[in-house]
Amino acid sequence: GAVVSQHPSWVICKSGTSVKIECRSLDFQATTMFWYRQFPKQSLMLMATSNEGSKATYEQGVEKDKFLINHASLTLSTLTVTSAHPEDSSFYICSAGTGDTEAFFGQGTRLTVV
Amino acid sequence: GQNIDQPTEMTATEGAIVQINCTYQTSGFNGLFWYQQHAGEAPTFLSYNVLDGLEEKGRFSSFLSRSKGYSYLLLKELQMKDSASYLCAVMDSNYQLIWGAGTKLIIKP
Repeated sequence: GAVVSQHPSWVICKSGTSVKIECRSLDFQATTMFWYRQFPKQSLMLMATSNEGSKATYEQGVEKDKFLINHASLTLSTLTVTSAHPEDSSFYICSAGTGDTEAFFGQGTRLTVV
Repeated sequence: GQNIDQPTEMTATEGAIVQINCTYQTSGFNGLFWYQQHAGEAPTFLSYNVLDGLEEKGRFSSFLSRSKGYSYLLLKELQMKDSASYLCAVMDSNYQLIWGAGTKLIIKP
């Protein structure tokens, strides 16, 4: 199957700093990329949907100024958590797709804000 | 509203068979997915059903009935490594994935 690479796998940052997470589709062009957040023992929560070259569509309750998403090319999308706080600590997962069959997931990024 | 229901937790014995059910109510339907997720890892794709019937893939099979809004994932010859959460997700009319909360499967020797 298609490969989606997410980097970094884990990151620890200080409260107030910003963290960037990259999501790359390595062997296909992803017209759409999705960013999810997952709290322990809970299901995936969709944060935003990004289409290449256009602004991301955020789900209700997700602060677009705090979670900046850039989808500059068909193979790369980034999520920047700005001014991170301990409550932002979570597992962030991206997925990429072509819109019709299946979504391919990155490995996920465990963010810990201290 | 949109809703995906699956059992919270199931327990089965190594070597046995287990069936994980999923019922859904969504605005439109463009396919149902099953994913396996081990703790601390991202989900991995298991199956995709868009037409009614059974899709078999090795030890795993997935069934879909669109008229009943129902699917199940069947795991045969269970192995200890199958201990994981199994997520059911439906793609709605906007091609957005709606996720179930996942079923934690515990395999006992």
